[in-house]
Amino acid sequence: GAVVSQHPSRVICKSGTSVKIECRSLDFQATTMFWYRQFPKQSLMLMATSNEGSKATYEQGVEKDKFLINHASLTLSTLTVTSAHPEDSSFYICSARDGLNQPQHFGDGTRLSIL
Amino acid sequence: GENVEQHPSTLSVQEGDSAVIKCTYSDSASNYFPWYKQELGKGPQLIIDIRSNVGEKKDQRIAVTLNKTAKHFSLHITETQPEDSAVYFCAATIFGNEKLTFGTGTRLTIIP
Repeated sequence: GAVVSQHPSRVICKSGTSVKIECRSLDFQATTMFWYRQFPKQSLMLMATSNEGSKATYEQGVEKDKFLINHASLTLSTLTVTSAHPEDSSFYICSARDGLNQPQHFGDGTRLSIL
Repeated sequence: GENVEQHPSTLSVQEGDSAVIKCTYSDSASNYFPWYKQELGKGPQLIIDIRSNVGEKKDQRIAVTLNKTAKHFSLHITETQPEDSAVYFCAATIFGNEKLTFGTGTRLTIIP
């Protein structure tokens, strides 16, 4: 149980393109989803927290207009990197939990490469 | 806010031997401590967690110990196998809180 699916697993695109990443909870309803960014050989850095039906809460230093998050249903959250540039290249990982006192379960990440 | 330190950053262990990874946390209010295993190109997978009302938890070859007074917790892997090779992250939070604070990770290599 507690499977989180993330799609796509890898995307390569040109600078200036907008990229959408999907995060789905397959066997549970995720009241809260989290988006992380991970640079090579580094830890996970929380970007934002999204609750179904409400606006995402962004961490300090994360541009809201750059990283658009939508959590339209209890099983789907999307992260859109708008007008992506090479410095946005990274490993993006989502996680989800099905209740306030439940652990976070992670997707397998999306490797984003901006040329 | 919470700060989690993790040591060592790299660890090489002969197959069959034990591996220990240690973490310290700063916020005495933290009461939930999960451990995640991340394989190359994958997301972190929860392998074991512990709450502050217990001092030790074991699941087959994996165990976690917690010392609330000293604010540190450790992951113990016994009878290591090649498939245990991965990056391990500890984390701390107040259960029910939104955020996990992660350690910096330990790259564990099991030598056949």
